[in-house]
Amino acid sequence: GAVVSQHPSRVICKSGTSVKIECRSLDFQATTMFWYRQFPKQSLMLMATSNEGSKATYEQGVEKDKFLINHASLTLSTLTVTSAHPEDSSFYICSARGMGRAYEQYFGPGTRLTVT
Amino acid sequence: GNSVTQMEGPVTLSEEAFLTINCTYTATGYPSLFWYVQYPGEGLQLLLKATKADDKGSNKGFEATYRKETTSFHLEKGSVQVSDSAVYFCALSPPGPVAGGTSYGKLTFGQGTILTVHP
Repeated sequence: GAVVSQHPSRVICKSGTSVKIECRSLDFQATTMFWYRQFPKQSLMLMATSNEGSKATYEQGVEKDKFLINHASLTLSTLTVTSAHPEDSSFYICSARGMGRAYEQYFGPGTRLTVT
Repeated sequence: GNSVTQMEGPVTLSEEAFLTINCTYTATGYPSLFWYVQYPGEGLQLLLKATKADDKGSNKGFEATYRKETTSFHLEKGSVQVSDSAVYFCALSPPGPVAGGTSYGKLTFGQGTILTVHP
């Protein structure tokens, strides 16, 4: 089946630094990738949608200058948390959707970000 | 806008008990409906889906029927196992491209229900 990986699985960084999270579709081409944030014991909140080769579309309330998304190829999207602060600590999850697969998103295992 | 409401958890059951997790939604038109499962330490996995009214999705003994009249998609399993312990999310996706295309395929999730099954 379709596999999506994320790297790193866990990262700890100091306040004020930037962190990059990678999301890769390993065995299919992902025309669209989604980035979510999951708070403890809460649901997933969609942050942004990225289509290969175009700018990401951010959900209301998500700072696009803080959460930089790049989808440079059909198998890779990156989320960069710039000037991270403790309140950015969270579980970040990506999902990928392939060509012609309108209803099927495949989720990565998530990245736990802790900002100290 | 679209929204999904799940029954609050956590739900604790004994092995072989019957499971129901309620899910209701608000959306325009006929959205696609999904149940995702998140096992401890893992990413979300699609459990089952239904794309039109009266469809029944099923997988691994779990079932859910798309009820347009009650805007519901309740998850059921006749006999749960310890290995079913996980967080279950109900979700919906809009019914096709929306003007501008930005909503196409976007998932709206319920808050998740933690299920714990004891031996």
